[in-house]
Amino acid sequence: QLPVQESDSRLVKPSETLSLTCTVSGGPISSPSYYWGWIRQPPGRGLEWLGGVEDSGSPFYNPSLRSRLTMSIDTSRNQLSLKLNSVSAADTAFYFCARLLPTGSGARGYFDLWGRGTLVTVSS
Amino acid sequence: DIVMTQSPESLAVSPGERATINCKSSQSVLWITDNRNYLAWYQQKPGQAPKLLISWASTRESGVPDRFSGSGSGTDFTLTISSLQPEDMAVYYCQQYYSTVTFGGGTKVEI
Repeated sequence: QLPVQESDSRLVKPSETLSLTCTVSGGPISSPSYYWGWIRQPPGRGLEWLGGVEDSGSPFYNPSLRSRLTMSIDTSRNQLSLKLNSVSAADTAFYFCARLLPTGSGARGYFDLWGRGTLVTVSS
Repeated sequence: DIVMTQSPESLAVSPGERATINCKSSQSVLWITDNRNYLAWYQQKPGQAPKLLISWASTRESGVPDRFSGSGSGTDFTLTISSLQPEDMAVYYCQQYYSTVTFGGGTKVEI
């Protein structure tokens, strides 16, 4: 079992809300040493950082998607969650959950542990 | 936002040869107070998640072969694979973490 596992692939209709979870095993999801984040990748294309959650539970978002995103951590389940509303075909992508090693104030850091990713397809 | 531009988009290298990938940031990612470059490199093989190779522009992660090296400072960075192996076929991405997070567009290395 991978230490970081996203929920299964899914099909979402345009204008609906995409919901994903990421389950972390082998250690607590909440730690002052690291945060957690989401990155997506449209098939055959590059990586786009979406945002993440600090150990305090405070989320931080990519400004370009902030109005549509909600991220949170459930420490009782050791899970990170993502909700993206009003989806369109442009949101079709592989969504990765990853551990972020923070390097200062704010949402700055690099990702040292990744899940395998899950494919989200937006289509009617 | 800091824009990261990688070049070339793809390159073909024979086994044993050197591969050089460039990454340029739209503004400096060198933090003056600690003199560190806030830049990482990742390797992504087909069907897999990205794997962290290098952080702080030149610090290799544990377990990463020493044929991989990172260099550069400020706005211009390079990932070098000194002697390409068949298993190095992948797409390589740079990422800045000086100001939130942005990735480069990727460079595909083919054998």
